[in-house]
Parts: sequence; structure tokens; C-alpha cells
Amino acid sequence: QKEVEQNSGPLSVPEGAIASLNCTYSDRGSQSFFWYRQYSGKSPELIMSIYSNGDQEDGRFTAQLNKASQYVSLLIRDSQPSDSATYLCAVPRRGFQKLVFGTGTRLLVSP
Amino acid sequence: ETGVTQSPTHLIKTRGQQVTLRCSSQSGHNTVSWYQQALGQGPQFIFQYYREEENGRGNFPPRFSGLQFPNYSSELNVNALELDDSALYLCASSLGLAALQQETQYFGPGTRLLVL
Repeated sequence: QKEVEQNSGPLSVPEGAIASLNCTYSDRGSQSFFWYRQYSGKSPELIMSIYSNGDQEDGRFTAQLNKASQYVSLLIRDSQPSDSATYLCAVPRRGFQKLVFGTGTRLLVSP
Repeated sequence: ETGVTQSPTHLIKTRGQQVTLRCSSQSGHNTVSWYQQALGQGPQFIFQYYREEENGRGNFPPRFSGLQFPNYSSELNVNALELDDSALYLCASSLGLAALQQETQYFGPGTRLLVL
């Protein structure tokens, strides 16, 4: 089992819709979770972090964490074509600042 | 902008050569991590330095080595390049508050290495 798993996609949504990106992780003791956005040919850019069960909202982005199910998700409301990118889920290895990344989910938002 | 810079942006080498990639962290950030990202994959951890000492290593062979300097700059050196070393190399800096695993890592723009 991979430490961090994501569906590689692509996930296609129309402009204005809600995009839902999912991530599962294997270490039950993980405490913090990060979502990075990566445009083609660019480096990852942090968009959300979440540390507690429940929802955390920042503008059009909502991160959701369920530690019991070892599941973290990212919702993007009112999706825009500029949201088209690969979204990487990252979980720090416990006791250490190494980030373990999933393979990323490619999101395509069509006008 | 994250305040993390990398050079060069692109590099072409041939198999067997050696390469040095450079990173300049945010001022005050004591930790720098290096990642390799192959096409279509997530970044893979190479190693991390904290206050000029190696603080952990991923599953990479010894021909991948690094240095961190007191002025918040660092280097990734790769010897005996192989075709599979072709990738985007990313450095990320963070404050480095020891065991605080919730720190945000700020990525530089990356160096794209092509090995022919």
C-alpha cells in the first residue's frame, strides 16, 4: 500500500462546478496534511493545509479531513479554467519534515 | 513568490557526467529539502539538511549528495548521471523548528535536468 494515494485522473468538470479531489494515506498517526497545486512545468504551490478533523475553508477551496477513515479531500467551488492543474496531496512523515506526496490528480476545467 | 530560488532553470547533460544544482532558501529558514519529480509523478524526497547537517535521506543512491551553507544556500550534486535522472529537481525550505512536523515547505521554481 502506498503511503499517499490519489487518483491520477484526469478529472474533468465544467466551469462553475464543484471539483472534488481525494487522497488517502496509510499512516494512522499523521497529524498534518497539505494540498499543493502544480501547473504544467512549474513547481508545487501550497494552497491548503489542514490539521484537525472536519472542514477548513479558504475562499473557493475547502479541505476536509477524516482521520478515522484516513481520508483527506479538497473541494474547489465555482471551478475556473485557471484551476486546471495537477493537485498534489502531501503528508509529512511522522517525526520528520519529509513530505510524502501522492502522484497527483490532474484537474481539467472546461469553459 | 516563495522567496526560494534555484539555478539553473534548465540543464542538459550526458550520461556519466556530474551535475551541481543550487538553491537559495528564504532567509531564516534552517531546513532545506530536495525532491526529484519525474514526469507524471509526485515529488520524491531525496534528502534534507538542517543547519548544515544531513537530517534524513530518501531511497536514493550515494551518488546523490548535498551541502548546505550558513548563508541559506544549498547544493545537490549528482555523480555518474543516468538517463533515469532526467527529472525536475525541487528544493524546499522551511523554518526548521526541529520536530514540528506541521511546518510549511516553500518550493523553489525547480531545475529541469535532461540526461542524454
